[in-house]
Amino acid sequence: KQEVTQIPAALSVPEGENLVLNCSFTDSAIYNLQWFRQDPGKGLTSLLLIQSSQREQTSGRLNASLDKSSGRSTLYIAASQPGDSATYLCAVPSGTGANNLFFGTGTRLTVIP
Amino acid sequence: SAVISQKPSRDICQRGTSLTIQCQVDSQVTMMFWYRQQPGQSLTLIATANQGSEATYESGFVIDKFPISRPNLTFSTLTVSNMSPEDSSIYLCSALQLGSQYFGAGTRLSVL
Repeated sequence: KQEVTQIPAALSVPEGENLVLNCSFTDSAIYNLQWFRQDPGKGLTSLLLIQSSQREQTSGRLNASLDKSSGRSTLYIAASQPGDSATYLCAVPSGTGANNLFFGTGTRLTVIP
Repeated sequence: SAVISQKPSRDICQRGTSLTIQCQVDSQVTMMFWYRQQPGQSLTLIATANQGSEATYESGFVIDKFPISRPNLTFSTLTVSNMSPEDSSIYLCSALQLGSQYFGAGTRLSVL
């Protein structure tokens, strides 16, 4: 069964700092990985989707990498802002050919002004 | 990207009652999903809802407790039946479009 772990569970950084969030998964037979943010009491916003054939995906200040063989993904946030404060979740399909997602435990990010 | 509207956004219910949550997508999608997020935890899949077929439930979730409807390609409902305080959670629906999943804002349910 797929297991997804995110480290650290919580992170506080001063505004302007660059940071990296980590995601690891046990079953490397995935065909994509998706990063989301969740604001308190709200739903999920899709940030980036990386296909298994890709190694990186970028959107603005966000850059996500994927290393299938080692079962790892990172989300790099450049020049962090207070508005980046949220919980960040990575998710992978729950099995071969599956479309439903298996979520990580999340990293709660606080950017201090 | 698909836009998902979910309602109600929150509700407070009495033990033993049922609540139906509605999920509307702004475009036609084949696959929709229902997730539960218990306090302080990540999301857990309840079931997959495809139009024209019965929902597929994950281990630990049963149709009698969480009946799901999927009458067309843009709409689905989840009912939480015979509620107990343990059902207090956020319930989220999502839709799959072009390989990405898009989520509604969630329904925050509190059961007294």
